[in-house]
Amino acid sequence: KAGVTQTPRYLIKTRGQQVTLSCSPISGHRSVSWYQQTPGQGLQFLFEYFSETQRNKGNFPGRFSGRQFSNSRSEMNVSTLELGDSALYLCASSLGLAEYSYEQYFGPGTRLTVT
Amino acid sequence: TQLLEQSPQFLSIQEGENLTVYCNSSSVFSSLQWYRQEPGEGPVLLVTVVTGGEVKKLKRLTFQFGDARKDSSLHITAAQPGDTGLYLCAGYYNNAGNMLTFGGGTRLMVKP
Repeated sequence: KAGVTQTPRYLIKTRGQQVTLSCSPISGHRSVSWYQQTPGQGLQFLFEYFSETQRNKGNFPGRFSGRQFSNSRSEMNVSTLELGDSALYLCASSLGLAEYSYEQYFGPGTRLTVT
Repeated sequence: TQLLEQSPQFLSIQEGENLTVYCNSSSVFSSLQWYRQEPGEGPVLLVTVVTGGEVKKLKRLTFQFGDARKDSSLHITAAQPGDTGLYLCAGYYNNAGNMLTFGGGTRLMVKP
């Protein structure tokens, strides 16, 4: 079974621009979560989508948004990029059902550098 | 805000030594997971613990969940250079839905 895939793997953007990252979950998984990983803050939860609806949201500004499509693929968008947005953005998928929601499987991440 | 404290932050040991990594919270976890992450890659799930007092073994790795479900430990026996990496604990809290809260991580280096 193929794992979680994320595209692109690396991205360089300029401050003020916007960016869209893509995530394809494991086949059959309906929940997709996004995390930001930085050396200073570690791994922080951004949001979770389940069946095209945002189910949980972390403590990030409105510049960070996401969506999920009917095939469970998800995108996240960051508008008006700031230098502090430079990070590894990780996507994780899970079945998303209450009794099986424990295990999340991560993709390789997208390394975003804002200059 | 629920905090998950992980210790130590860094650990450098010789091949063959034993080590323990700790993960502590003031709140109760509904479940807890341990991950290992290598540079440039996403975290890889090692184990999930759900029941207080639960012990799980994965080859030379032993995971324990505290009786009160507020803490966990990872013990590695006879560490090998291939164990080198970032070890992360992450927990689900009862009132936080499907949101994983991560500890700060323990960066382990095992020297040959």
